[in-house]
Amino acid sequence: AQSVTQLGSHVSVSEGALVLLRCNYSSSVPPYLFWYVQYPNQGLQLLLKYTSAATLVKGINGFEAEFKKSETSFHLTKPSAHMSDAAEYFCAVSEAGNTPLVFGKGTRLSVIA
Amino acid sequence: DAGVTQSPTHLIKTRGQQVTLRCSPKSGHDTVSWYQQALGQGPQFIFQYYEEEERQRGNFPDRFSGHQFPNYSSELNVNALLLGDSALYLCASEADGPGGDTQYFGPGTRLTVL
Repeated sequence: AQSVTQLGSHVSVSEGALVLLRCNYSSSVPPYLFWYVQYPNQGLQLLLKYTSAATLVKGINGFEAEFKKSETSFHLTKPSAHMSDAAEYFCAVSEAGNTPLVFGKGTRLSVIA
Repeated sequence: DAGVTQSPTHLIKTRGQQVTLRCSPKSGHDTVSWYQQALGQGPQFIFQYYEEEERQRGNFPDRFSGHQFPNYSSELNVNALLLGDSALYLCASEADGPGGDTQYFGPGTRLTVL
């Protein structure tokens, strides 16, 4: 069975500081990995995805993530936090296309002015 | 190009009642999945529909059922509502086949059971 662990339910950073949100996964097959962002009272928006191509994936809004098979990790980073980045972030794993997504519990990112 | 749409936005029901939620997939998508997101949790997979059939199902009771129409839109039905069914219900769509590896989500329906 697949699973996702997001370390830290709440991360707080200063505006302009590095953002690092951690995600570790468990999968018996080569995984597809995703990061989604959820703003208050809204649905999920795709930030980026890894589907067995380049291990460093660039997404929207300046975010990127690196797939590290040896560490079973897919951490999300952004060099400089912006106030508009404050939201809930979810890491998810699936076995392939058209298969269910398994989500982590989420990490709430706060950005301090 | 319209994304995934869901209706209604909010819904309030009482225990024991039945509810129907609706979803229209993104243009060009033929596969629809439903997820339940309880407060403070990540979404959990309910089931997936493709070609008007339930293709996969998560660990949810039979009170949760669905339907997909020929135009690929979908409904989620929940019978005999419990307080614990209060959640945000998310619909996601994707294209079937090799090119379909990403699920796009709608804004969700917030269900409150009193």
